[in-house]
Amino acid sequence: DADVTQTPRNRITKTGKRIMLECSQTKGHDRMYWYRQDPGLGLRLIYYSFDVKDINKGEISDGYSVSRQAQAKFSLSLESAIPNQTALYFCATSAYLDTGELFFGEGSRLTVL
Amino acid sequence: EDQVTQSPEALRLQEGESSSLNCSYTVSGLRGLFWYRQDPGKGPEFLFTLYSAGEEKEKERLKATLTKKESFLHITAPKPEDSATYLCAVQARNYGQNFVFGPGTRLSVLP
Repeated sequence: DADVTQTPRNRITKTGKRIMLECSQTKGHDRMYWYRQDPGLGLRLIYYSFDVKDINKGEISDGYSVSRQAQAKFSLSLESAIPNQTALYFCATSAYLDTGELFFGEGSRLTVL
Repeated sequence: EDQVTQSPEALRLQEGESSSLNCSYTVSGLRGLFWYRQDPGKGPEFLFTLYSAGEEKEKERLKATLTKKESFLHITAPKPEDSATYLCAVQARNYGQNFVFGPGTRLSVLP
């Protein structure tokens, strides 16, 4: 089983719908992240969390919200999806950020029509 | 503005044909530079961390080097299984917990 699991892996939805992407991890890491990947733009940080009580905005948090339900679970929500939120979303975890070693899930591909 | 660019965008090599990928960065106070490999349909997988100019790291056929303005990922005698997209990322002292990722170089190694 993967150490970082994302669900769903693929989702097609319509403009205005609420979407939740879920992430769970078995690595025992406190730090969890949500990134968005678009062709030609690289990965961009949406939100990150250092523990259950700590939530921080990243570079592109507008239009997104998150919930850290437990050490192992970190969910990303799009309250009202719009087409330019069509992207590949990755959850990641880390033990120590200074090493640069992030452990990524396999991604959730979201299409907003 | 802090930026990370990678070149070439795509590279096709014959098996055994060595080459290098480039990552150029402009940041204020580099804290670390990181290389990742990403296979199609997968999340990125960590390869190396480099902290200061002159530093080198090696892993199998890959060697990463760092200068004050760029990093190179040298691939020696590549094999088809080295085909992937290679991403670099930087962490600057004023970024807090954020990395800035480059767009990647898509490498194809033909048998």
